[in-house]
This record gives sequence, C-alpha cells and structure tokens, in this order.
Amino acid sequence: NAGVTQTPKFQVLKTGQSMTLQCAQDMNHNSMYWYRQDPGMGLRLIYYSASEGTTDKGEVPNGYNVSRLNKREFSLRLESAAPSQTSVYFCASSGTRGETQYFGPGTRLLVL
Amino acid sequence: AQSVTQPDIHITVSEGASLELRCNYSYGATPYLFWYVQSPGQGLQLLLKYFSGDTLVQGIKGFEAEFKRSQSSFNLRKPSVHWSDAAEYFCAVGAQGSTLGRLYFGRGTQLTVWP
Repeated sequence: NAGVTQTPKFQVLKTGQSMTLQCAQDMNHNSMYWYRQDPGMGLRLIYYSASEGTTDKGEVPNGYNVSRLNKREFSLRLESAAPSQTSVYFCASSGTRGETQYFGPGTRLLVL
Repeated sequence: AQSVTQPDIHITVSEGASLELRCNYSYGATPYLFWYVQSPGQGLQLLLKYFSGDTLVQGIKGFEAEFKRSQSSFNLRKPSVHWSDAAEYFCAVGAQGSTLGRLYFGRGTQLTVWP
C-alpha cells in the first residue's frame, strides 16, 4: 500500500517546454487534488477532481491542465512552462465524504 | 470567504519547552480542522484532525489541539518540544458535509528548536 505516489521527483525545464506530472493513489479515494507550494504562501489549490471524469479549477489554475485518467490517476500538465511555475507540486487524495487528505511526496520543478 | 490565518511565520523554542502554534479560521459552514507537519524536502503528514465531539483532540508525536468555536481557533500544543519537531506546520480547514473535501491552508509556521 504505497498511498499517493508522484513522478518525477525533480524536473528542470526551459521556458516554453511542456511536461506532465503524474499522480496515483491506491486508497480507492474518489477525490484528488493538485497543489503548488511556494515559500511563505502555504499550499494553493490548482485543480481538483471530485470523482472520475470530473475536474474543476482551484485558486491558481492558469497555465495548467489536468486529466483524471481513471479513479487512481490524476495528472497535471504544463503546456508552456514559465519561470513563475517554478514550485513544489503536491498531489493529494481523500475519500467520498471529503475527509482527511493524504499527500504525495511532491515534485520539485525548476523552470529556467 | 474561507480563510485560515497562522499569525506566526516563525517560532523558535528551546528543546523541552512548551509550544503553542496559533490558527484562526473563517468559514461559513461547520468546519473540519486539520494540522499537518512538513519536514524539509518531504510531503505533508497529518498530525491530527477535528471533525466533531470532544474539542480537545490528540494527535501523533505528542501533539494536541483545541477547537474553540467562539474564537474560531484551532491552536496546536505540545508540552515538551523535541529537536525532531523542527519542521513547518500547516493548519487547514474544510467543510463538513462536503462531498469534495476541498481544504484551505494557512501559510504555515516554521518551527526552530534550539538544543
């Protein structure tokens, strides 16, 4: 039982490049989330998915897209990376009633 | 609007001293409340949570928190801090009855522990 896993752990991109961050959970959770963490800003919600097939914008969705591939997997895509997207990205999941969120280990992204 | 305030950006305590980290929230619905801890380079680990019932909740690593509805607060406490408690602590609030489980996080309090 791995919980929430994220790949890659680290990534360096050049401005304008694209990439996809992968997230998977094995807890049979319905809800999944993508956050970014910047110094002094706490965690800010990018996108979330209440169930398979649905996604919604969070606080800071600009420059990102998401796909809820199935119940287990929720990916985050940067189509054209910008230096402002340099951050640590966390994926999380929670059960149907919206209880505790469980977090992955994070992806550290540097955009040059 | 929903919000969480952690008034202290950085706290320094000596090992063995008591600790209290403050958290105030603004939320229209009956809240779920959480404290998470993040060690350097790591993800977030749940310390404790309040859903209902006893307003004093116990968590892992000897932490506890008290929900005070009248003060819209959920402060985290530990009687005696250990050097390994040095980390960043996040308070979060969510809505009871929500089928989504969206949480709102404070900006975090960085804890330094002096030997």
